[in-house]
Formats: sequence, structure tokens, C-alpha cells
Amino acid sequence: DAGVTQSPTHLIKTRGQHVTLRCSPISGHKSVSWYQQVLGQGPQFIFQYYEKEERGRGNFPDRFSARQFPNYSSELNVNALLLGDSALYLCASSSQPDPNTGELFFGEGSRLTVL
Amino acid sequence: GENVEQHPSTLSVQEGDSAVIKCTYSDSASNYFPWYKQELGKRPQLIIDIRSNVGEKKDQRIAVTLNKTAKHFSLHITETQPEDSAVYFCAASSAEGNNRLAFGKGNQVVVIP
Repeated sequence: DAGVTQSPTHLIKTRGQHVTLRCSPISGHKSVSWYQQVLGQGPQFIFQYYEKEERGRGNFPDRFSARQFPNYSSELNVNALLLGDSALYLCASSSQPDPNTGELFFGEGSRLTVL
Repeated sequence: GENVEQHPSTLSVQEGDSAVIKCTYSDSASNYFPWYKQELGKRPQLIIDIRSNVGEKKDQRIAVTLNKTAKHFSLHITETQPEDSAVYFCAASSAEGNNRLAFGKGNQVVVIP
């Protein structure tokens, strides 16, 4: 079985641009979460989606948005990029919406560099 | 919100010795505590987790202990091997209604052959 897949793996953008990151969860998983991992830090929660509905939002500005599609894949969009948005963006899927009952499985991430 | 702190930030051990990483959390409502291992340039991988209804869990050379009263949990790696060298992250579930994990800053473990 394929694990969580993310694309693109690496990308470079300039300040003010927009970026779209994509994620396909493990087959059968309906919950997708997005995390931002800045170099040298732990992942920080951005969003969780379950059955196409937003179930949680972390402390990130409105420039960050996401959505989940009927096939449970997801997109993370970031507008008006800032230098500080440079990070590894991790997508995680779970068979349950609540991590108290389901494990999170991470993809390899999309490494975004903003110049 | 939930705040997770991890100590020490870096740990060097001789091959064959044990390594212990400790984490504290702030939200007494948290009841799920996973540990992730992240090798350089790779994704975080779940290595063990514990739920609040147990105090200890073991899987081969890895064990996790939880003290809910003191709000801390620890990862124990015995008989360390060079392939155990990585960054280890602890995390705690949040009871804020967001169903999210709060991660510590990570601990760099270096196993010296």
C-alpha cells in the first residue's frame, strides 16, 4: 500500500507569490492534517480536515487555507508568501478524525523555500 | 493551548548504552502521547505511543512511561545502535476541540559507535 504522498517535493518561490501543495492520504483514510516544520523545530499544526470539512485550525494567518476533495486528497494554499513561510510542509493522514483514537502517518513533505 | 517541552535538546550516548528523553506537557486533558523519529531529510515516523489509561508501554528496545499526575512522559531506548541516531519528537493531543497534536522542539540523539 502506498503511504501518504505529497507534491511537489521541493519548490522555490519569491515573496508575494502564491503556492499550492498537494497531498494524497493513505487509502481508506478520511482525515488529513497539515503541519509546518521550520528547520530545527517540531511540526506545528495548521489544519485538519475530515470528510471534506475543516475540523481544526492552528494559529496561522488567513493567508493559509486548505480544502479536502471527495477522494479525500487535500490542498494547502498559501498566499502572499513571506520569507518566514520557508519550511517543510507535512501532510498526515489518519483513519480517525481524533488523534486520541487514530495514529497520524506523515508524508515526506514539501520543502518550500521563499526568496 | 497545549505546550510541550522536551529535554535535553541534544543527547550523545555510546553504542550499547541507554538513552532517555523527557517531555512535559501543560494540558491535563491530553490523553494521547506519541513519539516520532525523524532522520535527516525524512518524514517523522511514529515509533511508539501511549494513551493515558496506561503508565508504561514497551516495544522491543523502546519503551515509553507516562506520569499523568506530574504531566510528563519519557522515551527510553536500550542497547542503542548507530541507526538510532536521529531527531526524536514527543507530542501530546490537544483537548481544545481541534483534535491536533502539539509537538516538542525535538531531541537530537547521537549514538557513538
